Order: sequence, then C-alpha cells, then structure tokens
Amino acid sequence: GENVEQHPSTLSVQEGDSAVIKCTYSDSASNYFPWYKQELGKGPQLIIDIRSNVGEKKDQRIAVTLNKTAKHFSLHITETQPEDSAVYFCAASKGSWGNKLVFGAGTILRVKS
Amino acid sequence: GAGVSQSPSNKVTEKGKDVELRCDPISGHTALYWYRQRLGQGLEFLIYFQGNSAPDKSGLPSDRFSAERTGESVSTLTIQRTQQEDSAVYLCASSLGEREGLETQYFGPGTRLLVL
Repeated sequence: GENVEQHPSTLSVQEGDSAVIKCTYSDSASNYFPWYKQELGKGPQLIIDIRSNVGEKKDQRIAVTLNKTAKHFSLHITETQPEDSAVYFCAASKGSWGNKLVFGAGTILRVKS
Repeated sequence: GAGVSQSPSNKVTEKGKDVELRCDPISGHTALYWYRQRLGQGLEFLIYFQGNSAPDKSGLPSDRFSAERTGESVSTLTIQRTQQEDSAVYLCASSLGEREGLETQYFGPGTRLLVL
C-alpha cells in the first residue's frame, strides 16, 4: 500500500523566515496531495492541496510543489508568523477507492518571535 | 454552514467497557471517513462510507471496532471491550464525494478517548 514519509519531524524558524516541509510517497497512482495544519486540541484544517496534473500551487504565503517523477511534494511557507506554529501533515490519496488519505507522521513547526 | 461535529469531545472509560463515538458530517457530504490519531503521531485510516455503505473497512484494527452510518448523515464508531491501546483521538471527516474536485476532506475536532 501507499507509504508517505515526511521530513523534518521538527522545524524551528525565526519569524519572517521561510519554512519548507518535504514529503515523499511510494504509490505512483496517488494523484491528490493535501496539506493540513493541526493546532493543539483541534482537528486538522486543510491549508492547501494539489492534484497530480499541476506542478505548483500558491495561496498567499503558502505554496506547494509536486514532482511526480521523483514522487515528492513540498510545502513552502514564506514570511512566517508566530501563528503559523502548529503541526503540519502531508497526505496522499489515489482519488479512487474512497480517496482514503495516507498521512505523513507530521512536522512540528515553531516560529520564534 | 456548520462544520463536522463530533461527540463526546472527551471520553474516559474503563478497560473492557464499550464506547460509542458520534460524527455529524457537513450537510450534503456523501462521503464520511474515520481516522485514529495516537499521541504524537499521524492519522491512521479506519473506515470510509459512501452514503450508508462502507466499501472500505480495511483500517479497522480488530473485530472489536465497528461503524455504521444512517440516513446518509450521522455515523457512529463503536469500540467493544476497550483496551488501553485504544486510547487515542478519533477523528471524523467528510467530503462532497469522491470524484476529482469533490474529494477535499474536512475534519471534525475529534473525540479524545482514554481507556484506564
């Protein structure tokens, strides 16, 4: 089955710097890749997603890139702010069989002010 | 409109007892998912519903776990004879459907289960 690996497990950046989180997936049939932000005690919140027919997608300070050949995708957060501090999860699905998401282990992002 | 809601938000039970967790998806969402999140870990898929049918139950860890959905709306996840390793946050998500453009999953706040 699908396996998603996520790095780094923890990331500390200074406010205003950029943060990059990387994920790799194993199943070349996967075609949908969402990123979720989870704050303490809350459910995951979708922040951006990308489909396999697109190489890059941007939404204000957040961008995601996808390299289908290498089977990896990355989350880029620019101009980080203290409120960006949270756990970030990448996920992958095949877009079939109910689109169950296979999640990475998560990255704890700390933005220091 | 309202998002996905789950109840109870917290549940403490004794080993061996049965528990029922409830999920109310976003109105009109035909697909519903249950995931489990152990402390400090990622989410593990448990089961998926399309309408009231469960085409994929592959993530249920044992026959102590079961789920149902009625009226293409509310779902309940039941854990029988709870064990300490069942302690986790149980998250529910729903999506409009499963075709491209409809597959975005929206999560509820979760039920935190502690088995003593």
